Amino acid sequence: GQSLEQPSEVTAVEGAIVQINCTYQTSGFYGLSWYQQHDGGAPTFLSYNALDGLEETGRFSSFLSRSDSYGYLLLQELQMKDSASYLCAVLDSNYQLIWGAGTKLIIKP
Amino acid sequence: DVKVTQSSRYLVKRTGEKVFLECVQDMDHENMFWYRQDPGLGLRLIYFSYDVKMKEKGDIPEGYSVSREKKERFSLILESASTNQTSMYLCASSLWRDSGNQPQHFGDGTRLSIL
Repeated sequence: GQSLEQPSEVTAVEGAIVQINCTYQTSGFYGLSWYQQHDGGAPTFLSYNALDGLEETGRFSSFLSRSDSYGYLLLQELQMKDSASYLCAVLDSNYQLIWGAGTKLIIKP
Repeated sequence: DVKVTQSSRYLVKRTGEKVFLECVQDMDHENMFWYRQDPGLGLRLIYFSYDVKMKEKGDIPEGYSVSREKKERFSLILESASTNQTSMYLCASSLWRDSGNQPQHFGDGTRLSIL
């Protein structure tokens, strides 16, 4: 079967750095995406990694290791507005997104 | 900016009713999707469409049908609503079939309760 594993909840302090991991087991792989979803809101796209390595976009970075079937989202200089759920998703061989259950990020002042 | 609009934010229906959820996108996207989102589970794909009048089953199509008569509109139909269909329903659209670096754009969701 296809599965994505990510922690259900992560807690961090405002101003700190946090890493949210995602491991996957899917039939085929084109890339790994990250989405942010605030409570009651729509998921919004953050990043997409098709190749190994680190991609940086402002305070957010995303990493992929295809050999380890693993990726992570790195959030720096955390702000209270970053409190949200973060969803990882794999684009499989059928060009469908397979979604993880999401990681709830709790930020404390 | 892409806008995906779902017709209702909250909806309460009774068991056995036929329920229509509407979704409209304004960016001429080829692909449209219907998901449901339940606590502790990832987004689960119900149906998707990559062209007008085309539809494909996702992972959990049972109890649902869809309609895409116009490119901008994708409707989800619960033929005979049941309590296990109480959920958050999310509609999304994307430009191309390869939606990796063409991200999916989501509506705000419809929280549907079946009593």
